[in-house]
Amino acid sequence: AQRVTQPEKLLSVFKGAPVELKCNYSYSGSPELFWYVQYSRQRLQLLLRHISRESIKGFTADLNKGETSFHLKKPFAQEEDSAMYYCALRFSARQLTFGSGTQLTVLP
Amino acid sequence: DTGVSQDPRHKITKRGQNVTFRCDPISEHNRLYWYRQTLGQGPEFLTYFQNEAQLEKSRLLSDRFSAERPKGSFSTLEIQRTEQGDSAMYLCASSATGGMVNEQFFGPGTRLTVL
Repeated sequence: AQRVTQPEKLLSVFKGAPVELKCNYSYSGSPELFWYVQYSRQRLQLLLRHISRESIKGFTADLNKGETSFHLKKPFAQEEDSAMYYCALRFSARQLTFGSGTQLTVLP
Repeated sequence: DTGVSQDPRHKITKRGQNVTFRCDPISEHNRLYWYRQTLGQGPEFLTYFQNEAQLEKSRLLSDRFSAERPKGSFSTLEIQRTEQGDSAMYLCASSATGGMVNEQFFGPGTRLTVL
C-alpha cells in the first residue's frame, strides 16, 4: 500500500538559514509527488509538484526514486515561510495520500 | 470568492445525531473529493466524484457516511448516528479533468465536534 512519511512533526530554523523538510514514500509504481502548505488560518494549497520541476517561493524538491524521497528545500528561510507543510503522493487520477505534516517555524 | 466553499465552517453535535455538510466546488471543476483530517494527521481520502458519479470510496467511509453530488455541482456529506470518533475537520476539494496535474483546490473545511 502507498504511504507517505514525514519524520519531523516540528522544525525550527532561524531566518536566513537553510531548511529541509523530509518526505519519504512507499509505492511500487511511478508516483506523482506534491508539497502542500497551510499558512495560519488559511486553506491547504499546492506549493509545488515534482513533474513541474519548478521553484516556488524559493522552495525546490527533487524526487529521488532510489531513496524514495521528495525532500523540500529552501536555501534561505524567511519568517513568512512559517506554516504546516504536507507531502502528498498521488497514484491514481483521483485521491491524494498525505503525510502527517511538518510544522515549520522560522525564528527571527 | 471563486474558490471551493464549505458550509458550515463549524458544527457541534451530540453523539447519535445526524449531521450534513455541504461543499460547493469551483464552478468549472467536474471532480470533487472529500477528505477527513484528525488532529496531528494529514488529510485522509474519503470519497471522489466525477460529475454526479461517485467513483471511489475509502474503507474509512463506514455505512454511517453517505455522500452525494446530485447534479454534478455541489456535494453533501452526511454522517448518521455520529460518534465521538467522527470529530475531525472535513475537507472538500475539487479539480478539473485534463491537463497534466489535475490540481486539487481545497476548501476551508468543516470542523465537526461530537460531544
